[in-house]
Amino acid sequence: AQKVTQAQTEISVVEKEDVTLDCVYETRDTTYYLFWYKQPPSGELVFLIRRNSFDEQNEISGRYSWNFQKSTSSFNFTITASQVVDSAVYFCALSELTGFQKLVFGTGTRLLVSP
Amino acid sequence: GAVVSQHPSWVICKSGTSVKIECRSLDFQATTMFWYRQFPKQSLMLMATSNEGSKATYEQGVEKDKFLINHASLTLSTLTVTSAHPEDSSFYICSGRRGQGGGNTIYFGEGSWLTVV
Repeated sequence: AQKVTQAQTEISVVEKEDVTLDCVYETRDTTYYLFWYKQPPSGELVFLIRRNSFDEQNEISGRYSWNFQKSTSSFNFTITASQVVDSAVYFCALSELTGFQKLVFGTGTRLLVSP
Repeated sequence: GAVVSQHPSWVICKSGTSVKIECRSLDFQATTMFWYRQFPKQSLMLMATSNEGSKATYEQGVEKDKFLINHASLTLSTLTVTSAHPEDSSFYICSGRRGQGGGNTIYFGEGSWLTVV
C-alpha cells in the first residue's frame, strides 16, 4: 500500500526565513510519481511539482527547491526567503507511474508566514 | 495549462435532499476523473475513480449508493450526494487525467464547498 507522511502539522515562520517541509513516502512500486501541491484558504489545489522516481536530481524553481532522496524515501520542499503569500497548506502526494495514477495525499503541513 | 472547472463552488442544501456537483474538463478530454473529499483541516481522501462510459470504482468505505458518480462524456463527470446529511458537509474536489498512458498530467478543479443544514 502507498502512504505519504507529513509529520509537520503546522509551521510558523517570519517573513524572509527559509523553511523546509518534510515528506516521507512508502510504496512497493519501483516506479512512481511524487508531487507537491499548495492549497490556499480558497481551497483550490495549486500544482507545484511532479517528480518521476527515475530522476533524483534536485530541482529549483525561483524560491522553491525540492530534495528527492530515494534512499530515505523523502521528497522535501524548501521555500527560501518566505513571504506572507506563501501561507497555505502544502500537500505531498504519491501516485503510481502507470494505470489510473490515483493520488495518495499526505496529511498536509500548514505554513503560516507572518510579516 | 489545462483547465478543470467545478460547479457550483458553494452549495447549501437541506438535510435529506440531493445535490449534484459537476466537473468539466474545458480544454482536454479526461479519460479518467477522480473525486476527492476533504474535511476541514484534513487531507484529501479519494472517493472514487471514474472512466468515461463505465461504472465508477469506489474506494473502501465510500457508499456508492449515496455518492453517485456519472462520467457520461470525456469532458463531464458528476457527483450526486443523495439524501445529504450534515456529516456530508465537506469540500469536494475533482481531477481529470488527460490521455490513457502513463505520465499524463492530472488537473484539479477549484473544488466545491458543500454545507448540509
